[in-house]
Amino acid sequence: DVKVTQSSRYLVKRTGEKVFLECVQDMDHENMFWYRQDPGLGLRLIYFSYDVKMKEKGDIPEGYSVSREKKERFSLILESASTNQTSMYLCASSPRRTRFTNEQFFGPGTRLTVL
Amino acid sequence: SQQGEEDPQALSIQEGENATMNCSYKTSINNLQWYRQNSGRGLVHLILIRSNEREKHSGRLRVTLDTSKKSSSLLITASRAADTASYFCATDESGGSYIPTFGRGTSLIVHP
Repeated sequence: DVKVTQSSRYLVKRTGEKVFLECVQDMDHENMFWYRQDPGLGLRLIYFSYDVKMKEKGDIPEGYSVSREKKERFSLILESASTNQTSMYLCASSPRRTRFTNEQFFGPGTRLTVL
Repeated sequence: SQQGEEDPQALSIQEGENATMNCSYKTSINNLQWYRQNSGRGLVHLILIRSNEREKHSGRLRVTLDTSKKSSSLLITASRAADTASYFCATDESGGSYIPTFGRGTSLIVHP
């Protein structure tokens, strides 16, 4: 059974703190993604990675960075958390992209609150 | 940029009824996917329909795709309370990066 896990389901941090969100997949997928989900806005892509040490910006990368040192792990970093980064963060993975098989597998999400 | 837009935003029905959700998009696509999200959880893939397909079935789910109208519909037949969730369409633009772009979703409530 395929699995994407995220390090925390709920997280509360203070403004200015450095925050690490970890995501691990056990499916040997090449692609990994970080989204944030806010009411009324749907899912917005923050960053994605096609391979180890590769990263590309999504639609809303400002205020975030990522790290992919190993194929199975993709970390999202908030260098200095701000209240407008309070959100649900979803990690996903997919096999090497093709035109017809880009189904994504999602983790359970991390609900981050920045006070 | 957001490609797919679901309609309606919210849908409330009784158990046993059919639920229909629609998705419209703006540019040519390679494929269109539907996902379900239970409250506070991650998304689960339901079905993928390719741009050269018109209809696809999976259990109680029926998806249609009309590329001339740039729209898709998801029909859930004989709905159950367990179908209560948000449903998202995700489109993959032709000539794009093969990364699906998600809409804002339809919130479905099925009353027992």
